Amino acid sequence: DGGITQSPKYLFRKEGQNVTLSCEQNLNHDAMYWYRQDPGQGLRLIYYSQIVNDFQKGDIAEGYSVSREKKESFPLTVTSAQKNPTAFYLCASSSRTSGSPYEQYFGPGTRLTVT
Amino acid sequence: GNSVTQMEGPVTLSEEAFLTINCTYTATGYPSLFWYVQYPGEGLQLLLKATKADDKGSNKGFEATYRKETTSFHLEKGSVQVSDSAVYFCALSDPGGKLIFGQGTELSVKP
Repeated sequence: DGGITQSPKYLFRKEGQNVTLSCEQNLNHDAMYWYRQDPGQGLRLIYYSQIVNDFQKGDIAEGYSVSREKKESFPLTVTSAQKNPTAFYLCASSSRTSGSPYEQYFGPGTRLTVT
Repeated sequence: GNSVTQMEGPVTLSEEAFLTINCTYTATGYPSLFWYVQYPGEGLQLLLKATKADDKGSNKGFEATYRKETTSFHLEKGSVQVSDSAVYFCALSDPGGKLIFGQGTELSVKP
């Protein structure tokens, strides 16, 4: 089955620690995205990547970092500089060359709690 | 800039009632429009889409028509079920391929 996997589903960390969230896709999509969702709010874009070895900041990139060394993988690191890291994090991907461009497919999400 | 505005929730309906969730947008050019659904604790799933004016997207009894003259993409369903309880997001594509989301509308359907 093709899709997007995010792991783990729940993650707990102490304040001051960096933490990396995993996102893997086997859809052969070129573009990948990271969003943050807070309770009762919409999605805010953190980072996106349209091609391997390249990525751009979204609307709320401060305190986060990413890498895109492989087409299938787009890990997100939440650093200790992120002031309010507790949130639900969603990864998505889309094809730029086939099917319906701009249509994004989402993973199941990782709920991060920092205390 | 591009933006999406949805009606505020929560929306509470009885089973078999008619559903409308309003969505209006501001955009340059001709974006594609989407409705996504999110069940509790899960990621978003694409519900339906429309790529040009007057297109109607439909899926699982839900429909939405791309109205360029009113810059709207309202979601409708003739008879909701308890299983339709979820949060619904309207979104548009910007020229760079990113999606701009509305704030979401929570729907609760009571038996």
